[in-house]
Amino acid sequence: NAGVTQTPKFRILKIGQSMTLQCTQDMNHNYMYWYRQDPGMGLKLIYYSVGAGITDKGEVPNGYNVSRSTTEDFPLRLELAAPSQTSVYFCASSRGDSIISYEQYFGPGTRLTVT
Amino acid sequence: AQKVTQAQTEISVVEKEDVTLDCVYETRDTTYYLFWYKQPPSGELVFLIRRNSFDEQNEISGRYSWNFQKSTSSFNFTITASQVVDSAVYFCALSEALKTSYDKVIFGPGTSLSVIP
Repeated sequence: NAGVTQTPKFRILKIGQSMTLQCTQDMNHNYMYWYRQDPGMGLKLIYYSVGAGITDKGEVPNGYNVSRSTTEDFPLRLELAAPSQTSVYFCASSRGDSIISYEQYFGPGTRLTVT
Repeated sequence: AQKVTQAQTEISVVEKEDVTLDCVYETRDTTYYLFWYKQPPSGELVFLIRRNSFDEQNEISGRYSWNFQKSTSSFNFTITASQVVDSAVYFCALSEALKTSYDKVIFGPGTSLSVIP
């Protein structure tokens, strides 16, 4: 199993450009997440999904959009990039359950710089 | 409200020393889960352990051990005989079990551990 894969690993964007961060998992997990990690900080949840076709906002969703058309894929779209979106982005997945919380498996991250 | 505190921002130890990373959590739920993750310099977050609130047994895995104490709301992590490969940022995290949808995981701010050879 490859686990959670993310592309690209690095990207530099100009202010106002758009891009999509790709995330794929091969563990058949229902739950998927996008986090951002600013330098020296913890993780902040951007968006999450509990299954194909179901997505919802986390704590910092502004400037981002997601879709979940399949169980495996959960792309994150940045529209009109701003310097405040310079960060490392992590995709994660976990087994979904209504009561039990399972550990999350993380991708390698995408380091994004907006200048 | 849920909260995870890792009061130690940075710790430096000399190789082979033991080190304990502190984690204190707040929750009003009686059922919850605690996690530790490791983020080495390569950047990827790696799951280390999951513990539910009904299981207060301490856990040992090789040089790693975890001490869960509900009475003090703490879930501390000890590395015995530290090695340079243990250098990383370690995150403690909390998740409520009774949830309406997703696993809302609250991550602590992390403790950066440097093991000096």
